This record gives sequence, C-alpha cells and structure tokens, in this order.
Amino acid sequence: KQEVTQIPAALSVPEGENLVLNCSFTDSAIYNLQWFRQDPGKGLTSLLLIQSSQREQTSGRLNASLDKSSGRSTLYIAASQPGDSATYLCAVRPQGGSEKLVFGKGTKLTVNP
Amino acid sequence: DAGVIQSPRHEVTEMGQEVTLRCKPISGHNSLFWYRQTMMRGLELLIYFNNNVPIDDSGMPEDRFSAKMPNASFSTLKIQPSEPRDSAVYFCASTPTGTGGSNSPLHFGNGTRLTVT
Repeated sequence: KQEVTQIPAALSVPEGENLVLNCSFTDSAIYNLQWFRQDPGKGLTSLLLIQSSQREQTSGRLNASLDKSSGRSTLYIAASQPGDSATYLCAVRPQGGSEKLVFGKGTKLTVNP
Repeated sequence: DAGVIQSPRHEVTEMGQEVTLRCKPISGHNSLFWYRQTMMRGLELLIYFNNNVPIDDSGMPEDRFSAKMPNASFSTLKIQPSEPRDSAVYFCASTPTGTGGSNSPLHFGNGTRLTVT
C-alpha cells in the first residue's frame, strides 16, 4: 500500500529565505507526482506535476524534483515571500491506470515578514 | 472557467439527518473525485467517476455514504443518516483524463465544511 510522508509538518522561515519541502513515498511504481498548495478555507491548487519519466519541473520561483528510485520528491521555493504561507501537499498517482491520488498530510509553511 | 463549484460551503446538521453535497466539475473534465479531509487522516479519496461511471468506491466508509453522477456536469455525495464522526471538509475535484490516464493536474473546489452535532 502506497504511503506518502511529508516532513516537517510545519516550517517557519523569515522572508527571503530559500527553502525545501520534502515528500517521500513507499512504492516507486508511480505514474506522476503532484505538488499542491492549500490556503486556509480553500481547496487545493496544483502547483507542479512531474511525470514519472521526468526529474524536475519548474514554475517561477518553484522547482520540484523527483527521484523515483529513492521514493523522494522535493519542492524548492526561492526567495520566499509572506504570500507563500500556506500548506503544501504532495500526492502520487500509482502506475496501472488508476487515477487515485495518495496524498501526504502536508507541510504548513509560514513565511514571516 | 469558473472552476469546480461546490455547494453548500458550510453545512451544520444534527445527527441522524440526511446531508447532500453537490458538485459541478469543470466543463470538459471527464473524471470527478470526492475527497474528505480531516486533521487526523488528511485527504482521503472516497470515490471517483470517469465519464459518469463510478470506477473506485473503495474509500466510501460505510453504506451510509452514497454518490451519484447523473450527467457530466453534476455529482452528489449523500450521507444518510449522518453522524458526528462524519464532520470534515468534503472536496470535489475534476480532471480531463480517462481510464488509462494522462498527466493532467487535479482541480479542486473550495470544499464543503460539514459539522454534524
């Protein structure tokens, strides 16, 4: 059974700092991995999707990497801003045709001005 | 596009009452998902549909839960009778994929916060 873990559960950093959020998964047979952002009282917004054949994806100040063999992904946020404060979740989609995503519990990020 | 639309945003009901949550997916998206989010368990998939057909309902906790998708633009999740432990945020999400899959991201609605007293 696929399990997704995100450590730490919460992170507080000063504005301007570069930071890395971690995601690990137990079964490397994945179709893709997605990073989402969730603001309080809102749904999830997809940030980046990495296909199983890819190593990384970039969008603006965000860079996500994938190491399938070791079961790890990282989300790198450059020059963090208070507006980046949110909960970040990763989710993996298994191989085999199922569209069922397995989510981690997220890392709550606070960027202090 | 207006995104995935869920209603109501908040629902407070008494134990034993029937609750119906509604979802309108993004037009053209043929896969629809119902998730439940709690502090303890995080996000859990309850059921998903592809082309209006339920594909995987293994996450539906009990027979008290049922979901329907009568057409491509509407789905409901019903709880009857509701219990306090059903209190959670229920999310609907959609994506333009079919069985066999593609690499399209999942789009979420803003959720329905359900409180059962």
